[in-house]
Amino acid sequence: KQEVTQIPAALSVPEGENLVLNCSFTDSAIYNLQWFRQDPGKGLTSLLLIQSSQREQTSGRLNASLDKSSGRSTLYIAASQPGDSATYLCAVRNTGGFKTIFGAGTRLFVKA
Amino acid sequence: GAGVSQSPSNKVTEKGKDVELRCDPISGHTALYWYRQSLGQGLEFLIYFQGNSAPDKSGLPSDRFSAERTGGSVSTLTIQRTQQEDSAVYLCASSSRGQLDTQYFGPGTRLTVL
Repeated sequence: KQEVTQIPAALSVPEGENLVLNCSFTDSAIYNLQWFRQDPGKGLTSLLLIQSSQREQTSGRLNASLDKSSGRSTLYIAASQPGDSATYLCAVRNTGGFKTIFGAGTRLFVKA
Repeated sequence: GAGVSQSPSNKVTEKGKDVELRCDPISGHTALYWYRQSLGQGLEFLIYFQGNSAPDKSGLPSDRFSAERTGGSVSTLTIQRTQQEDSAVYLCASSSRGQLDTQYFGPGTRLTVL
């Protein structure tokens, strides 16, 4: 059974700091891994999707890496801004199915 | 273009009543997902539709929950005889193989069962 864990659960950093969010999963037979952000009271916004054959994806100040063999993904945020404050969710879709398993999220607060 | 829309945005109902939640996916997206997000908990997969294939219902928590997708577009999630533990935000997402299965989420329906 796939389990997704995100560390830390919460993080507070000063503006401008580079930071790393961690996601680990127990079953390496994944189809893809997706990072989302969720703002309070709102739906999820897709940030990056990494296919199982890929090692990383980049979008602006965001970089996500994937190491299937160790069951880990990281989301790197460069030069953090107060507008980055949100909950970041990691989600894994296994091969052979469509079920997507989400981690509990990392709640990020960037102080101005 | 328009994103995923859900209605109603909020629904308050009494225990034992049936409710219907609606999801309009992005036009042309063949895949549609329903999730539930309970207070303080992560997202829980409920059901998945892909084109005309049989849906993956493996996440539905009980037989009180059902969903259908008409004409490969709009989907309705129905909860019968609602219980207080059904209170949650119900999120819908759609995706397209052409966009490598990136899931686009709607704003959710907040269901409160009194």
